[in-house]
Amino acid sequence: SQTIHQWPATLVQPVGSPLSLECTVEGTSNPNLYWYRQAAGRGLQLLFYSVGIGQISSEVPQNLSASRPQDRQFILSSKKLLLSDSGFYLCAWSVAGVGGETQYFGPGTRLLVL
Amino acid sequence: AQTVTQSQPEMSVQEAETVTLSCTYDTSESNYYLFWYKQPPSRQMILVIRQEAYKQQNATENRFSVNFQKAAKSFSLKISDSQLGDTAMYFCAFSGAVPHNNDMRFGAGTRLTVKP
Repeated sequence: SQTIHQWPATLVQPVGSPLSLECTVEGTSNPNLYWYRQAAGRGLQLLFYSVGIGQISSEVPQNLSASRPQDRQFILSSKKLLLSDSGFYLCAWSVAGVGGETQYFGPGTRLLVL
Repeated sequence: AQTVTQSQPEMSVQEAETVTLSCTYDTSESNYYLFWYKQPPSRQMILVIRQEAYKQQNATENRFSVNFQKAAKSFSLKISDSQLGDTAMYFCAFSGAVPHNNDMRFGAGTRLTVKP
């Protein structure tokens, strides 16, 4: 069966520091991968998605970036965090090449920028 | 662009009773998919139920069922015999049928509280 992991689970970082959040998927090959952000009490905002290694599409311009160095690894990064980057970050995967497929989410990372 | 609207920010229900959460969407596509996700206090998003628009039969999963009204672009979730563990945020979502289009859109959510 497929599983998705995210780490760290919680992170507290000062403004201006770098960021690296990691997401890995097991039990499937060539998945579509997604990064979402969720502000407290709000809905999900899609940040990035990837349909293959090295293929990244950005939905929202910001100081965050994403990379996919391996088939089942998706990384969210920032060179300098802003206060507004605080939130709950969710990674998700879906079956590639099929429309309307369910997205399965990881446990999320709580990021607090101080 | 597709939009998803959940007009009930918060709802509550007594344990063992039935509750219905509303969702409407806007699209010009003829084929698409609709989802309900649950986000408990742990904040992990969990798929509750999925509906394919070309299927007229409403999807059901145990105590969870939907009322899909394609002409009205409505997709409500009914929870029967509510349990304390159903307390969560519920998100309605829409996805088109075109591969790689990446057009999944989420509503703002409804916070459901099940009272003992």
